[in-house]
Amino acid sequence: ETGVTQSPTHLIKTRGQQVTLRCSSQSGHNTVSWYQQALGQGPQFIFQYYREEENGRGNFPPRFSGLQFPNYSSELNVNALELDDSALYLCASGVLAGKETQYFGPGTRLLVL
Amino acid sequence: GQQLNQSPQSMFIQEGEDVSMNCTSSSIFNTWLWYKQDPGEGPVLLIALYKAGELTSNGRLTAQFGITRKDSFLNISASIPSDVGIYFCAGQLDPGNQFYFGTGTSLTVIP
Repeated sequence: ETGVTQSPTHLIKTRGQQVTLRCSSQSGHNTVSWYQQALGQGPQFIFQYYREEENGRGNFPPRFSGLQFPNYSSELNVNALELDDSALYLCASGVLAGKETQYFGPGTRLLVL
Repeated sequence: GQQLNQSPQSMFIQEGEDVSMNCTSSSIFNTWLWYKQDPGEGPVLLIALYKAGELTSNGRLTAQFGITRKDSFLNISASIPSDVGIYFCAGQLDPGNQFYFGTGTSLTVIP
């Protein structure tokens, strides 16, 4: 049990729609990172937030955006959904200091039809 | 982006056998993490490594940070059925940077 929670657990959307996924970080953590995991692949880094600012971004288009709130909860927003956006979306929280680790939530399974 | 190659891609072993898997990169990493993921769930952190040559254990699991800093190894001793899952390595080039994940090793334990 990592203390990282995500909602919803599953979601079905149609192409062109917008989606918001939510994450609640583990207490005491100051970073939250979002990953996309396609079936049969390893997680791919989308971006990280630290102190409510984006602190690094992977190779994802601007229609993937995020927010981190003062209580260290976070949102991932995806606009203009495409079929290839179907994946497991994972958030991970950690501490940006010294020896870094990342603790993952259970993920949100997104299906785009 | 960085490519982390894990081998083997999959393993089928008898219960009680020992398991070895590794993760290699063309770049030098500062941190290595090992995770286990069950189907439909998030990865669970097993072991974290921060220093070249470091050897760290977590129960029956032992991981090592390669001395070249371009690789890492995970060993599981006396495997049991609940070890079944996909094992991922993750590496970080520098503190504060993103973690890159490997391609995964799928482990099946035959009772």
